[in-house]
Amino acid sequence: SQQGEEDPQALSIQEGENATMNCSYKTSINNLQWYRQNSGRGLVHLILIRSNEREKHSGRLRVTLDTSKKSSSLLITASRAADTASYFCATAFDFTGNQFYFGTGTSLTVIP
Amino acid sequence: GAVVSQHPSWVICKSGTSVKIECRSLDFQATTMFWYRQFPKQSLMLMATSNEGSKATYEQGVEKDKFLINHASLTLSTLTVTSAHPEDSSFYICSAPHTNTGELFFGEGSRLTVL
Repeated sequence: SQQGEEDPQALSIQEGENATMNCSYKTSINNLQWYRQNSGRGLVHLILIRSNEREKHSGRLRVTLDTSKKSSSLLITASRAADTASYFCATAFDFTGNQFYFGTGTSLTVIP
Repeated sequence: GAVVSQHPSWVICKSGTSVKIECRSLDFQATTMFWYRQFPKQSLMLMATSNEGSKATYEQGVEKDKFLINHASLTLSTLTVTSAHPEDSSFYICSAPHTNTGELFFGEGSRLTVL
C-alpha cells in the first residue's frame, strides 16, 4: 500500500531538546504534508512541501524532502511540553486530495 | 483560515441504530470531502471520497451500504453509519481540500461509541 511509514513510532524527549521524526513512502508524489493531532482531536496542518522542494521552514519546524530516497523528516527545535502530540506525514499525488495517504504516525512526548 | 466543522463531536448509540455525522466547510466550497476512520493509537484510514452531486467513491474493504455518504451541497457532506454495531465504534474524521493550496482542512472528529 502507499501508506507511509514513520519512525520512530514513539519519541520521548526533555523540554528544550530537538525532536526529529522521519517518514518514508513508496511511490512518486506531488507533495508531502505534515499534520499534528492532539489526543482525541482532529488534525492540524503544519507544513506542505512540494516534490520539487528540498527543505522548508515554519517557525520552529523544519521539513526536508528527499525524493530519491522517498523520505521526509520533520524537525521540531527547542521543543515545548505543548508539542506533545502525534505527528503524521501524508503523501498526495495531486492537489485534489485524491489518494491522500497518511503515515503510521509518531507519538511525541515532551517532558517538562 | 479555512475551517471544517464536524458534528456531533461525540455520540453514543445502541446497537442496531443509525448515526449521522455531518461535515461542513464553513468559509469555502468543497466539491470533494474525505472521510477517515481512526482506531486508538493508529493512523487515519481513508474510507471514502465524497463528491458533490455524484456518488461517493469507497476505498477497498469499506461497505458502502454500511457507511452511507451524501454530499448534498458544496459545503456539506454526511456520513451515516447504518445499523451500527460495537465494532463500528471509532473516531471518524472528515476533511476538505483547499484546491488552490493543496492543504487539507480537517474537522475535529466524531467519536462514535456503539453499545
